Amino acid sequence: DQQVKQNSPSLSVQEGRISILNCDYTNSMFDYFLWYKKYPAEGPTFLISISSIKDKNEDGRFTVFLNKSAKHLSLHIVPSQPGDSAVYFCAASNNNAGNMLTFGGGTRLMVKP
Amino acid sequence: ETGVTQSPTHLIKTRGQQVTLRCSSQSGHNTVSWYQQALGQGPQFIFQYYREEENGRGNFPPRFSGLQFPNYSSELNVNALELDDSALYLCASSLAGRNIQYFGAGTRLSVL
Repeated sequence: DQQVKQNSPSLSVQEGRISILNCDYTNSMFDYFLWYKKYPAEGPTFLISISSIKDKNEDGRFTVFLNKSAKHLSLHIVPSQPGDSAVYFCAASNNNAGNMLTFGGGTRLMVKP
Repeated sequence: ETGVTQSPTHLIKTRGQQVTLRCSSQSGHNTVSWYQQALGQGPQFIFQYYREEENGRGNFPPRFSGLQFPNYSSELNVNALELDDSALYLCASSLAGRNIQYFGAGTRLSVL
C-alpha cells in the first residue's frame, strides 16, 4: 500500500502564477516531511522540509503547508518560473525508525513562459 | 564540498548476472541510503548503512545486499538479476539522525 501519494501526475502553470503541488499520507507515525525536485538525468535535489510540530515553513518562493489532521501537505511556488519545470517528489520519514524516506510517485510541473 | 557521486552512470546486464554499484558520500556524511526508482514511480528505500552496518531495510529480497566502508563510501550488490530490477538506483548520504538526505545522480541499470 502506498503510504505517501501524489494524486496529480502532472500540473501545468503559467509563468508568474502560483503552483500548488499536493501530497497525502496515511502513516500517522511520519513526523518529518520533505520536498525534492528532480530534473532529467539528475538525482533528486532537496528543496524544503517541515517538521510535524509546525504547520508552515517558508523559503523564498517556496512554502510548505502541513495539515496533520487531514494528513495532507502542499508545496506552493510563487511566482512560478520556467526553470521550476521538473518532477517534484514529496517524502516522509519517522525519526524513530531510522529516517528512511518514503516517497510519493511524483508530480511533473510544467511552467509555461 | 564534494557532493554524492555514483558509478557507473549506466549499466547493461543480462538476467541471472550479478552487479555492483558504487557510491561516494558527500563530505562529512556518515550515513548512506540506497533507493530504487522504477520508471514513472517515486524512489523506494532499499537499505541504509551507518558505521559499516545495515541500519534499516525496505521490502527488498536478500539478493540485494550492501557494504559501507570506513571512508563512508558504499556498494550495492544485486545477485541473480531479474528483468524487474531494471531501474534507476539512487544513493543518498546524510548525517546520522538528520532527516535531509542528499542524492547522487544515480546508476541506470538495464537487465535484458
